Amino acid sequence: DVKVTQSSRYLVKRTGEKVFLECVQDMDHENMFWYRQDPGLGLRLIYFSYDVKMKEKGDIPEGYSVSREKKERFSLILESASTNQTSMYLCASNGQGNTDTQYFGPGTRLTVL
Amino acid sequence: QKEVEQNSGPLSVPEGAIASLNCTYSDRGSQSFFWYRQYSGKSPELIMSIYSNGDKEDGRFTAQLNKASQYVSLLIRDSQPSDSATYLCAVRYSFNKFYFGSGTKLNVKP
Repeated sequence: DVKVTQSSRYLVKRTGEKVFLECVQDMDHENMFWYRQDPGLGLRLIYFSYDVKMKEKGDIPEGYSVSREKKERFSLILESASTNQTSMYLCASNGQGNTDTQYFGPGTRLTVL
Repeated sequence: QKEVEQNSGPLSVPEGAIASLNCTYSDRGSQSFFWYRQYSGKSPELIMSIYSNGDKEDGRFTAQLNKASQYVSLLIRDSQPSDSATYLCAVRYSFNKFYFGSGTKLNVKP
């Protein structure tokens, strides 16, 4: 079974702090994704990566950066956390095939005070 | 911006009935279509994927795809209270970008 893990289930940070969210997958997937999910807005793509050290902006990259130094690990960084970044953050991964679906991690509920 | 539209619900059905969930999408270039189930506070889990027109059945679940009408649906037969969740429709566009609907909340009443 595909396993995608995220470093924290719940996180509380203060405005202005630098926040790191980590995601690890064990299926040797090339592609990894970061989404945020908010009520009524669905899942929105922040960034994705299709290879080590490669990244592409998604639909809402402002205020975020990412790092992928190893194939299995994809980190999301909030440079200076703000209250409007309070959300559920979901990491996902998949392979290169056209039919490869995404598999999600358990999510991190981030609250910025 | 790619659009994936779902009725937010809630959709309420009695136990044992058929639940019908619908999704429309805006881009004819869409390649693959997925249904995810998401329980409250949990992450989405894949139920079905469908890639060509027609029906695809897996146990109590049937996915239906009509590319001409840009429409994909999920039927759940013999609905159970454990099926109560939010169902997300996802559409894959070129270069591995996925767009998700905001989900339909399903309540199955015992």
